[in-house]
Amino acid sequence: AQSVTQLGSHVSVSEGALVLLRCNYSSSVPPYLFWYVQYPNQGLQLLLKYTTGATLVKGINGFEAEFKKSETSFHLTKPSAHMSDAAEYFCAVSAPSGYSTLTFGKGTMLLVSP
Amino acid sequence: KAGVTQTPRYLIKTRGQQVTLSCSPISGHRSVSWYQQTPGQGLQFLFEYFSETQRNKGNFPGRFSGRQFSNSRSEMNVSTLELGDSALYLCASSPEPQTRNYGYTFGSGTRLTVV
Repeated sequence: AQSVTQLGSHVSVSEGALVLLRCNYSSSVPPYLFWYVQYPNQGLQLLLKYTTGATLVKGINGFEAEFKKSETSFHLTKPSAHMSDAAEYFCAVSAPSGYSTLTFGKGTMLLVSP
Repeated sequence: KAGVTQTPRYLIKTRGQQVTLSCSPISGHRSVSWYQQTPGQGLQFLFEYFSETQRNKGNFPGRFSGRQFSNSRSEMNVSTLELGDSALYLCASSPEPQTRNYGYTFGSGTRLTVV
């Protein structure tokens, strides 16, 4: 079974500052990893994913994440925050085969101040 | 290409009633999953359907059920509603359950309020 831990239910940054959202996973096999974003009253939108290959993954809206197997981490970063980045972010994990589902972390609300 | 469509967007029901939510996946997607989202519990997996068969089920009581039709559209039903069932219900589609590298495409959800 897989599980995901997102450190910090809320993260506050100033516009233009670095965004760092933390995600650690637990899995018995190398998993597939995802980051989703949710804006108010909307569904989840896929930001980026890691399946195999390059461990640094680039996604939409300038976000990227690095898979570090030794640290069982998949932290999400963006060099410069924009007001429009304010939303809730979810890290998710899935086993790479079989009928495994997506298991989500509790989410991190990103607050961006002017 | 149309996205995942969930209807209705908002629903208010009385405790004890039953409710049916609908989800139309992206054209060509044959796998549909349902999630319940609440502030306290976060996103919890309900069930996944593929080819009209339930392939996986989360840890929810039997009051929660679902089905999938031959055109891949899916419905979920909650009977004997409780106040704690108030949540955002999200539907997600993917080409096939085994296509883990695809990720899911989510709909905008149905906001259910039980009073």
